[in-house]
Amino acid sequence: EPEVTQTPSHQVTQMGQEVILRCVPISNHLYFYWYRQILGQKVEFLVSFYNNEISEKSEIFDDQFSVERPDGSNFTLKIRSTKLEDSAMYFCASSLGLAGGRSGELFFGEGSRLTVL
Amino acid sequence: AQTVTQSQPEMSVQEAETVTLSCTYDTSESDYYLFWYKQPPSRQMILVIRQEAYKQQNATENRFSVNFQKAAKSFSLKISDSQLGDAAMYFCVIIRDNYGQNFVFGPGTRLSVLP
Repeated sequence: EPEVTQTPSHQVTQMGQEVILRCVPISNHLYFYWYRQILGQKVEFLVSFYNNEISEKSEIFDDQFSVERPDGSNFTLKIRSTKLEDSAMYFCASSLGLAGGRSGELFFGEGSRLTVL
Repeated sequence: AQTVTQSQPEMSVQEAETVTLSCTYDTSESDYYLFWYKQPPSRQMILVIRQEAYKQQNATENRFSVNFQKAAKSFSLKISDSQLGDAAMYFCVIIRDNYGQNFVFGPGTRLSVLP
């Protein structure tokens, strides 16, 4: 069964360093998302991506964050200069969307745990 | 803006019993979709059940069913015949009907299943 895969599963970094989290969404999906979850708490929307551009982003997604889909398969989240409060579990998700009677179901990866020291 | 409230941070149920998780939401949209997602410990989130706001009939999926009250903006999840594998964090989620953008999650309810 197709699934969303994320790497790395866990990354430890020093404050101020750049981090790239990678995701391979399900191949025929159209919408791509990054969410984060701090210490098992609320799941927070970061950004959605459709048709090779950001379609929506939250207040959390400031200039330190960027996303790319460089090769039609990978979907990356870059944090340019990490802060302590960026420590969280980052989830990638993909979807076929809702058009044409589709379910809109989000398929999630297992997450990348980022620890900023 | 859409918001989702889950007033029960934690709940427990005896195995084989029934439990209901509450969810209320706020939206100005007339067309939207509601979901319950389950996050088992150390596992990714998976869809439990989905409800279209324009449908009056409550969705059911095996042991899982919802009570959707559109006027009250309430969307509760009932789990019947609870099993140990149902233990997880449950998130109530809303999305407005505009091409699948920005799912809004509630804060979650942690469900424990007691043997």
